[in-house]
Amino acid sequence: GDSVTQMEGPVTLSEEAFLTINCTYTATGYPSLFWYVQYPGEGLQLLLKATKADDKGSNKGFEATYRKETTSFHLEKGSVQVSDSAVYFCALHSGGYQKVTFGIGTKLQVIP
Amino acid sequence: DAGVIQSPRHEVTEMGQEVTLRCKPISGHDYLFWYRQTMMRGLELLIYFNNNVPIDDSGMPEDRFSAKMPNASFSTLKIQPSEPRDSAVYFCASSFGATDGYTFGSGTRLTVV
Repeated sequence: GDSVTQMEGPVTLSEEAFLTINCTYTATGYPSLFWYVQYPGEGLQLLLKATKADDKGSNKGFEATYRKETTSFHLEKGSVQVSDSAVYFCALHSGGYQKVTFGIGTKLQVIP
Repeated sequence: DAGVIQSPRHEVTEMGQEVTLRCKPISGHDYLFWYRQTMMRGLELLIYFNNNVPIDDSGMPEDRFSAKMPNASFSTLKIQPSEPRDSAVYFCASSFGATDGYTFGSGTRLTVV
């Protein structure tokens, strides 16, 4: 079945550091890929998405590129801020089923 | 649009009591999902609806859980009787199709004592 593997956190970075959160997937066919962010006490919010190979999703300074050859969708940001502290979820949707498969989430803590 | 609206935000109840969680999806969205989030198990899909019809309830933990969607603008998740192990944050989400992603509500934090 479909699965998403994320690096386990927590990830602790200093403000303005470079961020990478790894995500790899297993899926049938050609899935759509997503990153969601969850701030404390809130629901998940869609951060970015990519629907086909080599697409790059971007939003709020975050980027992720759909790499079919390595089945990866790593999240990157050049300079993190304290306000980026949150839990980040990688997710995929494939095939005819409507269900989205989520990773376990990676907690990011940015310190001043 | 006000987004996906869930109520209540917090619920504390005694073991054995009935609990009803409510969700109003975004107007025009044709899919509705109920998730449960805990530290131990992460995000779990409980059930989802398409055009008000339950499609997959394989994630519902047991018969104590039931969900309904009587119309396109309202859904409920009921637990009867509730148990301490049901304590979690319950999220409702809605979407139009698959590739645009989901919109989540703010969740209901349920504590069963």
